[in-house]
Amino acid sequence: GAVVSQHPSRVICKSGTSVKIECRSLDFQATTMFWYRQFPKKSLMLMATSNEGSKATYEQGVEKDKFLINHASLTLSTLTVTSAHPEDSSFYICSAREPNGPQETQYFGPGTRLLVL
Amino acid sequence: GNSVTQMEGPVTLSEEAFLTINCTYTATGYPSLFWYVQYPGEGLQLLLKATKADDKGSNKGFEATYRKETTSFHLEKGSVQVSDSAVYFCALTANTGGFKTIFGAGTRLFVKA
Repeated sequence: GAVVSQHPSRVICKSGTSVKIECRSLDFQATTMFWYRQFPKKSLMLMATSNEGSKATYEQGVEKDKFLINHASLTLSTLTVTSAHPEDSSFYICSAREPNGPQETQYFGPGTRLLVL
Repeated sequence: GNSVTQMEGPVTLSEEAFLTINCTYTATGYPSLFWYVQYPGEGLQLLLKATKADDKGSNKGFEATYRKETTSFHLEKGSVQVSDSAVYFCALTANTGGFKTIFGAGTRLFVKA
């Protein structure tokens, strides 16, 4: 199946700094990518839908100025957590949808664990 | 709105026991249904899916049948192994929801040797 990678796999940063997480589709072009956040022992919460060449669509309650999403190419979307605080510590997972595949099918990255000190 | 409800865990079983994890859903339209598995420290992997009523998804000994009449998609496996220990998420994607995926809360499974 299709492969999605994330980088870095884990990151520790100081409070107040910004962190960028990359999501890449390795063997297909993804016009749509999704960013999720997972709290410990909880389910995934959709943060935003990232569309190549246009602005991301954020879910209700997600601060777009804090979680900056850029989908600059058909194989790369980035999530930047700006001015990170300890409460931003979480597991961030991206997924990508093949443009010619079934609409309901998405492929998940391995996740990025963020710890803000 | 669309939603998924799955049984709370954790579920603890002995090796070779029978597994059932219940999942029910609420959705308008005709959703596709999924089971994902998450091993410790990893992202999600698609385990199986079903896209229309009465379809049965199966993979690695796991199976689930899309039951429209009971709005359910229960996950079953006849004989679990220690390596099946993970968190299992039931999910749906519906065109009425813009093809966004809605996840259940997840059920943690522990299998003892």
